[in-house]
Amino acid sequence: SQKIEQNSEALNIQEGKTATLTCNYTNYSPAYLQWYRQDPGRGPVFLLLIRENEKEKRKERLKVTFDTTLKQSLFHITASQPADSATYLCALDVTGGGNKLTFGTGTQLKVEL
Amino acid sequence: GAVVSQHPSWVICKSGTSVKIECRSLDFQATTMFWYRQFPKQSLMLMATSNEGSKATYEQGVEKDKFLINHASLTLSTLTVTSAHPEDSSFYICSALQASSNQPQHFGDGTRLSIL
Repeated sequence: SQKIEQNSEALNIQEGKTATLTCNYTNYSPAYLQWYRQDPGRGPVFLLLIRENEKEKRKERLKVTFDTTLKQSLFHITASQPADSATYLCALDVTGGGNKLTFGTGTQLKVEL
Repeated sequence: GAVVSQHPSWVICKSGTSVKIECRSLDFQATTMFWYRQFPKQSLMLMATSNEGSKATYEQGVEKDKFLINHASLTLSTLTVTSAHPEDSSFYICSALQASSNQPQHFGDGTRLSIL
């Protein structure tokens, strides 16, 4: 069966450091992968989309890599701030149709002063 | 940016009642809306895909007679949880896809449903 796995344990890092979150998937070859941020009691907010032919994508302090051989995406937040504390979700369109997303379980990030 | 509004944000009701949740795209037309459910510490699980003017497509294991979806216009989809029971208590989130675009899904802020 298809699986999307993210670190289930919370990630605690110090302010200013780079946070790296992992998303691994199996039994699927997605055309693209998305990363979302979710705060408690709120809906997910779209951050970045990376396509299968892109190795890396950047947006301000965020960087996403996509290795289709390893079936893995890494999500980096550089110069992390306490305001970056949230749960980060990766999502794939496992049907290939373009729009139906399956989400990973998310990784909770806490940035400490 | 694209805004999706969900209402109500939270609701508490007695077992056996029906609850309607609205999802509106405020500044764009959405041909497709999605309904998700999220239990504590778990990820979003897709319940159904709603296309304007047609019947919703439900995911395996989701009862279509229990979770009624109506997508009557390009800016509004509703989810009605019929005869709700405590096990239906969850966080329900909708998302909308902008028509004719390659934009990602835009999510509402969810509805916390508690059935007593």
